[in-house]
Amino acid sequence: QSALTQPASVSGSPGQSITISCTGTSSDVGSYNLVSWYQQHPGKAPKLMIYEVSKRPSGVSNRFSGSKSGNTASLTISGLQAEDEADYYCCSYAGSSTDVVFGGGTKLTVL
Amino acid sequence: QITLKESGPTLVKPTQTLTLTCTFSGFSLSTSGVGVGWIRQPPGKALEWLALIYWNDDKRYSPSLKSRLTITKDTSKNQVVLTMTNMDPVDTATYYCAHIPEFGEFYFDYWGQGTLVTVSS
Repeated sequence: QSALTQPASVSGSPGQSITISCTGTSSDVGSYNLVSWYQQHPGKAPKLMIYEVSKRPSGVSNRFSGSKSGNTASLTISGLQAEDEADYYCCSYAGSSTDVVFGGGTKLTVL
Repeated sequence: QITLKESGPTLVKPTQTLTLTCTFSGFSLSTSGVGVGWIRQPPGKALEWLALIYWNDDKRYSPSLKSRLTITKDTSKNQVVLTMTNMDPVDTATYYCAHIPEFGEFYFDYWGQGTLVTVSS
């Protein structure tokens, strides 16, 4: 069982917006602005999409945005495109005794 | 341009020790702040963080696997090595190494392609 809880699946139609939640605790997501999000297509390595809750690496579309409220972080994808169909994982710093925790992953289907 | 590549055995027997090497280019582990981490992913399952090492030899381990893991670096060879003892079939997974851009940051901005390790007798 993963430390961070994500919905197993979400779906949306092209052009729509979707949000993926990532629920942790006051020991991880709630205490640090060190949440990151990764996109993974089948058979490929994960790709960093968001870091420090809401920052986008160079080259990542501005359709991807991140936020956090309390113990829950969120990834929003606007203007859904077919190529956004992938698995998405959240990740957070969890303090010096645990360091890094991942979520269980969310499969995004573009209908 | 930062690249990383994992190498090691594709098949190990139960109880054996796994040794994986991450060979990288485009950065140096002698540069202040930089780190390298290891993450694994069993087939069809989620990512799991294993260990990381920073330029200053600060090492961190997953609490659940700490007793079985050792991470080291060879700055001159641009390599990071992960060893995992007492391998079990549940350790079958794709193992990734990844770059950490700054000390105190716990995200991975560049990843290797991964290497699939199967544990079976």
